[in-house]
Amino acid sequence: QKEVEQDPGPLSVPEGAIVSLNCTYSNSAFQYFMWYRQYSRKGPELLMYTYSSGNKEDGRFTAQVDKSSKYISLFIRDSQPSDSATYLCAMSAGNQGGKLIFGQGTELSVKP
Amino acid sequence: DVKVTQSSRYLVKRTGEKVFLECVQDMDHENMFWYRQDPGLGLRLIYFSYDVKMKEKGDIPEGYSVSREKKERFSLILESASTNQTSMYLCASTPGQGYGYTFGSGTRLTVV
Repeated sequence: QKEVEQDPGPLSVPEGAIVSLNCTYSNSAFQYFMWYRQYSRKGPELLMYTYSSGNKEDGRFTAQVDKSSKYISLFIRDSQPSDSATYLCAMSAGNQGGKLIFGQGTELSVKP
Repeated sequence: DVKVTQSSRYLVKRTGEKVFLECVQDMDHENMFWYRQDPGLGLRLIYFSYDVKMKEKGDIPEGYSVSREKKERFSLILESASTNQTSMYLCASTPGQGYGYTFGSGTRLTVV
């Protein structure tokens, strides 16, 4: 079993929809949780960062962490075609120099 | 902005060649990482480094080596390239635990 599980999709939604992306994990030591966005033929870029449990909001994006369920989510409100990308969750226990464990990534397409 | 620069965007090499992939970061980050990214397999860690001249094996180090002679530069070496090393290679750096990665734009390597 992988430490981090993420549905690879693809996920296709109409413009303006609310998108929910999720990851589950097995290592209870994880305490740093991140979401990266990767456009085609580019490197991933950090989108959201959360320490421990709780919610974090940044514009149209909300990240949620539920450590009791070992489940993290990224919500995108009013999705736009420019949100079309692969979204990777990543997490770390805070050891090994900040080494991150990544999910497989979910490919999202937002149709105009 | 932190910048991680990978020397080549696209490379085509022949089977058996020794291949060097270079990565330079400009923000004095301690830790650097090399990943490969393949469809259906996600990001897989090859090697990482906490400091100059230090290296640690990741999940798939076979067929690869690394060099970190200066803090800002982390090189990935394919000792004898094989067709199953055709992939997207991503370099990343981070100041340390609890921080996200900054990725380079990637090198798409094709071994023929």
